[in-house]
Amino acid sequence: DTAVSQTPKYLVTQMGNDKSIKCEQNLGHDTMYWYKQDSKKFLKIMFSYNNKELIINETVPNRFSPKSPDKAHLNLHINSLELGDSAVYFCASSIDGGSDEQYFGPGTRLTVT
Amino acid sequence: AQTVTQSQPEMSVQEAETVTLSCTYDTSESDYYLFWYKQPPSRQMILVIRQEAYKQQNATENRFSVNFQKAAKSFSLKISDSQLGDAAMYFCAYRSAAKGGSEKLVFGKGTKLTVNP
Repeated sequence: DTAVSQTPKYLVTQMGNDKSIKCEQNLGHDTMYWYKQDSKKFLKIMFSYNNKELIINETVPNRFSPKSPDKAHLNLHINSLELGDSAVYFCASSIDGGSDEQYFGPGTRLTVT
Repeated sequence: AQTVTQSQPEMSVQEAETVTLSCTYDTSESDYYLFWYKQPPSRQMILVIRQEAYKQQNATENRFSVNFQKAAKSFSLKISDSQLGDAAMYFCAYRSAAKGGSEKLVFGKGTKLTVNP
């Protein structure tokens, strides 16, 4: 059984479009995250939700809007896609703070043309 | 803000040999956690090892061990008896132990490890 799943795994779209990436975890975790990995492999936090409540919102353009319908799901909607949005987006989850590891999804490679 | 530095963009090691990947970090906090994650070509992020800052004993997981030097803010990863499957990007990461909005992982830029047969 997949612990953290993301759909789709690959997404190719044109500039200006709106797209969504979905994330689901079946681990019973309270906290979920979105990270962005750029073309140089650098990983950076974008958002974090704890029990459906937004707790981390890094400096991300407001074209990016996360939504957590319940604590097992965290979706990422991106409006008006730009070339610079091309990256791999990782969803992750963890129990609740501490040294517990964050479990990562397989990533979604977004390519904006 | 915390920062994590991995000064070796690339490293290589012969199969069965030992290699050490460097990581330093900057923080004003006294309590935190440190992690090494592995990202093979499959793209999946896999936890290799973790260390709690309050523990003096260095963490070990089979062939993987760390050298945690809190005063020097250094957290290196040693891989013994390297195997071809160890080839991957390795990321060092920091996580604050403070409550309230600090659960994020702060990553270094990664070290690409090649294992030569």
